[in-house]
Amino acid sequence: KAGVTQTPRYLIKTRGQQVTLSCSPISGHRSVSWYQQTPGQGLQFLFEYFSETQRNKGNFPGRFSGRQFSNSRSEMNVSTLELGDSALYLCASSSSGTGVDYGYTFGSGTRLTVV
Amino acid sequence: AQSVTQLGSHVSVSEGALVLLRCNYSSSVPPYLFWYVQYPNQGLQLLLKYTSAATLVKGINGFEAEFKKSETSFHLTKPSAHMSDAAEYFCAVRTTGANSKLTFGKGITLSVRP
Repeated sequence: KAGVTQTPRYLIKTRGQQVTLSCSPISGHRSVSWYQQTPGQGLQFLFEYFSETQRNKGNFPGRFSGRQFSNSRSEMNVSTLELGDSALYLCASSSSGTGVDYGYTFGSGTRLTVV
Repeated sequence: AQSVTQLGSHVSVSEGALVLLRCNYSSSVPPYLFWYVQYPNQGLQLLLKYTSAATLVKGINGFEAEFKKSETSFHLTKPSAHMSDAAEYFCAVRTTGANSKLTFGKGITLSVRP
């Protein structure tokens, strides 16, 4: 059974550019969550999608957005990149959306560096 | 609102010694609780989860955790540390509401001395 796949694995962007990250959940999982991980702030929740609907959103500026497609794949977009957006972005999938069943399965992340 | 507190940022133990990583949670409703491990340059791997069944939860790699409602704690233990246990460990909480989110603690780095 394939795990959660995040692409690309590494990314270098320039300030002011925009970036799109992709996450393919485990087959059959309908919930996808996104997290930003930095040494200073730790793991911070960005948003969660369930069956193409955004169910919850963290405290991030509007430059951060996401969406989920009918096949449950999800993308997140960051516009007008800032140096502080450099982080490891993690995606997690869950079948029930609560983690009660098998917990949340995380991908390996996308390492974004903004220069 | 829900939150997780992991006291201290670093724990060091000798190989073969007991591992104890502390986690306290705050939740106004019955929570789901999780422990995850992260190795360098990797994502998070689920060690174990509490979902209101047995209060003593056994996970992978010999880890276990006990849910204590009176103490609002979910400490992670392993009887005998192995060098391969060196990693960062995160405790997380999620409430049962459909619109809840998984909230993580700051994480604890475990070092294992030979």
